[in-house]
Formats: sequence, C-alpha cells, structure tokens
Amino acid sequence: GQSLEQPSEVTAVEGAIVQINCTYQTSGFYGLSWYQQHDGGAPTFLSYNALDGLEETGRFSSFLSRSDSYGYLLLQELQMKDSASYFCAVRAPIFPVYNQGGKLIFGQGTELSVKP
Amino acid sequence: EPEVTQTPSHQVTQMGQEVILRCVPISNHLYFYWYRQILGQKVEFLVSFYNNEISEKSEIFDDQFSVERPDGSNFTLKIRSTKLEDSAMYFCASSEIPTDTQYFGPGTRLTVL
Repeated sequence: GQSLEQPSEVTAVEGAIVQINCTYQTSGFYGLSWYQQHDGGAPTFLSYNALDGLEETGRFSSFLSRSDSYGYLLLQELQMKDSASYFCAVRAPIFPVYNQGGKLIFGQGTELSVKP
Repeated sequence: EPEVTQTPSHQVTQMGQEVILRCVPISNHLYFYWYRQILGQKVEFLVSFYNNEISEKSEIFDDQFSVERPDGSNFTLKIRSTKLEDSAMYFCASSEIPTDTQYFGPGTRLTVL
C-alpha cells in the first residue's frame, strides 16, 4: 500500500521561508507531487518530482530523495495568500495495465498559517 | 484556461435519498476521477474512469456508488441511498494522460441529514 506522512501544521511570518516535509511508503513509485488547497476548495497542482533533486517554480521549490523516500516543499518570500493546506501525493500505478491512469494518494495535509 | 466544473456546489439531502453529482471535465482529457474529503481530513480516492469503464475503485466505493459518462462532456457520481457518513466534499478531477497532474473541480459539498 501507500502512506504519506507530513506535519499537520506550520506557522511562519510574511517574507520568511518555510519547508514542509513529506515521507512516503509506497509499492511502486512514479514521483512525488504537491497540491495546494485554500479553504477546502479545489486542490491545485503545484509541483512534481520524478527524479532526485530540486525543482524550482517561482517562489516554490520541491525536493525529492528517492533513496530516503523523502521530499519537501519549500516556500520562499511567504505571502499572506500562501496560507493554505499543502498536500504531498503519490500516484498509485494500476497493475498490470500501466496505461489506465492512477489514483492519487494524498498525505493528511499541512496547514500553513502565514502571520503578518 | 480550461477548467473542471461541478454542479451543484452544495447539496443537502435526507438519509436514504439518492443524489447525483455532476462534473464536466476538461474537454480533451481522457481520465476521470472522483475523490472525497471529509471536513478537516485528507483527500481520498473513490474511483477512476477511462475508456467508458471503471479503471479502479476504492473500498469506499461500494454498491451504493456508481459513475457514468452519459455523453461526451458530463461525468456523474450517483449515490443511491445516502448515509450520514457520506457527508463530505466531493471532487471531480481529470487528466489528459496518466499523470500526477490532475485538474480538480471546485467540489460539491454534500450534507446528509
């Protein structure tokens, strides 16, 4: 099966940098993705790592270490609008037919509060 | 930018009633999903749909649930006899190819009384 662990909440101030960690246990692994959710609204894709290393998209970066089954989301220059829940997720392959898509398995989510 | 749409945004129903939640995925997408999120909890997979059939379903997706793509644009989730524990936000998602980038709709908040 698949399971993901992430902290339940993180608090930071505007302009700061925050890191949200995620560890995972999976049977079959494509990569680790991150989604943002504001106030129970639609989860929105932020980033994806299939290979080890850092992926940067503007103020957000995501890191993956496949050997450690670990990744993190790094948010820089925090803004009030970054207050949201952040979920790490893995896609579970369907065996034996690989091309029929795959469900996303989400972590419990980390609620980020950005204070002035 | 194309987006997934869902109707209704809110649905209140009595226990034991049938509900149909509707979704219009992004037009060129081929893979469709339903997820649900109980208040304050994580997003949970319900079912995936490809080539007009269910690809996979979770343990939650029992005989009370069904999905349908009645035409070229709509994708529906039916709950035949709702239970109190079905109260949740239901999200539809779609993707063009099997990918970790899935596009979610705004959700339908279902309240079962």
